[in-house]
Amino acid sequence: EVQLVESGGDLVQPGRSLRLSCTGSGFTFGDYAMNWVRQAPGKGLEWVGFIRSKTYGGTTEFAASVKGRFAISRDDSKSIAYLQMNGLKSEDTAMYYCSREPRKSLAFDIWGQGTVVTVSS
Amino acid sequence: DIQMTQSPSSLSASVGDRVTITCRASQTISNFLNWYQQEPGKAPKLLIYSASTLQSGVPSRFSGSGSGTDFTLTVSSLQPEDFATYYCQQSYSPPRTFGQGTKLEIQ
Repeated sequence: EVQLVESGGDLVQPGRSLRLSCTGSGFTFGDYAMNWVRQAPGKGLEWVGFIRSKTYGGTTEFAASVKGRFAISRDDSKSIAYLQMNGLKSEDTAMYYCSREPRKSLAFDIWGQGTVVTVSS
Repeated sequence: DIQMTQSPSSLSASVGDRVTITCRASQTISNFLNWYQQEPGKAPKLLIYSASTLQSGVPSRFSGSGSGTDFTLTVSSLQPEDFATYYCQQSYSPPRTFGQGTKLEIQ
């Protein structure tokens, strides 16, 4: 079964850091770009950033709201993508989803169940 | 950045109705437009990619059309499980922006 599982969500204080993980199974992880999308309580979907596959350079792109604070990396040998979040703010409170992006469609065809990040003192 | 605007923001309809949701991009995005469905408490699900290609396993009552800046998602005959929130998203260039969502409610 093709699956993504996020982990690492937690309650953290403003200004602190947190790392989320996204573990894939049932597919060749390294063939896909991996995206992070978040959803604040009661709000819509917000794209956070993505990392291209190594074939396309493994480079990253981010939303303006997180650029300079968040980083994405990947370990294809373990089928894991990471979202490193630094300098967390209350507005980063959200459900965080990872999703797979095939080169063929450039759409997010598989999503994880999400992990909750709460930023509060 | 490319802005995506959906309309309406909410929509009331009945089982069996035909409904259409529109999505407009702030600049041309060719056919790099995707549609997602999200049920409460669940992760989004891909319905349509490249503006009009139905994702595997998605019922044929869902269809998409458009190119350039204007796109539509149509559900030909609403079923009870279709009452959810729908999002468009552009994959033309980063940031991969989403529309604000359209909540489809039972009338």
